[in-house]
Amino acid sequence: DAGVIQSPRHEVTEMGQEVTLRCKPISGHNSLFWYRQTMMRGLELLIYFNNNVPIDDSGMPEDRFSAKMPNASFSTLKIQPSEPRDSAVYFCASSLGGAGSYEQYFGPGTRLTVT
Amino acid sequence: GENVEQHPSTLSVQEGDSAVIKCTYSDSASNYFPWYKQELGKRPQLIIDIRSNVGEKKDQRIAVTLNKTAKHFSLHITETQPEDSAVYFCAATIGTSYGKLTFGQGTILTVHP
Repeated sequence: DAGVIQSPRHEVTEMGQEVTLRCKPISGHNSLFWYRQTMMRGLELLIYFNNNVPIDDSGMPEDRFSAKMPNASFSTLKIQPSEPRDSAVYFCASSLGGAGSYEQYFGPGTRLTVT
Repeated sequence: GENVEQHPSTLSVQEGDSAVIKCTYSDSASNYFPWYKQELGKRPQLIIDIRSNVGEKKDQRIAVTLNKTAKHFSLHITETQPEDSAVYFCAATIGTSYGKLTFGQGTILTVHP
């Protein structure tokens, strides 16, 4: 298995531009998690899905952030408009989901820089 | 919601020594406690985990202990090696079946040769 796949690996954009991050979970995994990592705030959960349905988006910082999971193999995290304070590493993780299947496996991350 | 506190924030040891990292959690319903290792510029990788019905788990040089009464759990690394140098994160579930995790703040472990 290729593991969790994320693209792009690096993204540099100007303030005000739209940014879309992509994630392909491990095949057969039913839960998908989006995290943001910064030095100041550590590893923060933004949103997570189970069976393609958003379960908890309380970690999404504001309306500029949105996430979708149109099918079991693909999810996007969109920032519109982007701001310099959005600069961070964004990780996607997946797990089997369901009672007792909690192990989360992380993708390589997308390093976002907003200038 | 769940709160996870991790100590120390930095830990420096000599090669061959043991290292211990401790975490406390707030939600008594938490039932799954993983530990992740993150090397510089890399993704967090699951290294060991423990469930609430077990008090201790070992995997070669690493072990995790859980005290549910006190709501704390610890990572123990024996015979440390320079390649153990990394940031280590503890985490706990918030008690749902979907495995939503809250992470500790991380411990920077440095193993000096």
